[in-house]
Amino acid sequence: QQQVKQSPQSLIVQKGGISIINCAYENTAFDYFPWYQQFPGKGPALLIAIRPDVSEKKEGRFTISFNKSAKQFSLHIMDSQPGDSATYFCAASMRGGSQGNLIFGKGTKLSVKP
Amino acid sequence: SQTIHQWPATLVQPVGSPLSLECTVEGTSNPNLYWYRQAAGRGLQLLFYSIGIDQISSEVPQNLSASRPQDRQFILSSKKLLLSDSGFYLCAWRRLASDTQYFGPGTRLTVL
Repeated sequence: QQQVKQSPQSLIVQKGGISIINCAYENTAFDYFPWYQQFPGKGPALLIAIRPDVSEKKEGRFTISFNKSAKQFSLHIMDSQPGDSATYFCAASMRGGSQGNLIFGKGTKLSVKP
Repeated sequence: SQTIHQWPATLVQPVGSPLSLECTVEGTSNPNLYWYRQAAGRGLQLLFYSIGIDQISSEVPQNLSASRPQDRQFILSSKKLLLSDSGFYLCAWRRLASDTQYFGPGTRLTVL
């Protein structure tokens, strides 16, 4: 019930292509869905986040698509660049639950080939 | 602005030795604080979280303990390290009125 399932585990995309990472959750009480980007040897950094009251949020080349009925959300990276090569984590949390603790997916390692 | 610090950045320790990792947050008061562990190429495992001084919750029973002696200081400790304690340890903080967690730079621990 508390899991967030992320796929694929790894992804190779050509420069300029679209990278798509998917996550699915079971707990309908989740109401905050962030994506984090992590470079090797660094701490994760918040990339973009969405709440269930909207179906899409865009920030630059990064877009979250949210499907409440399917309990799925995805990250789209448009015009992928070699500098986007990193590990991406989706997560979910609910207000008032376990002090706002985030439940993380297992991560997707993205490699963008020049 | 808020800043989170972790030290040391890297640490190599023998099996059976003690451990103390420190995390401090600047620029905010009464944050929620978190300790995560990340094994090589793996996801983030929540170890401890704290909602206030001396208020610690453990998520995974293990060889580690946490303490919060001051509002913006979070310490991860062990009396005797195991090989399986190796990993990348991350501290994070969250403002009470916000959902967003912000991570520190991490400590790479290698137990030999």
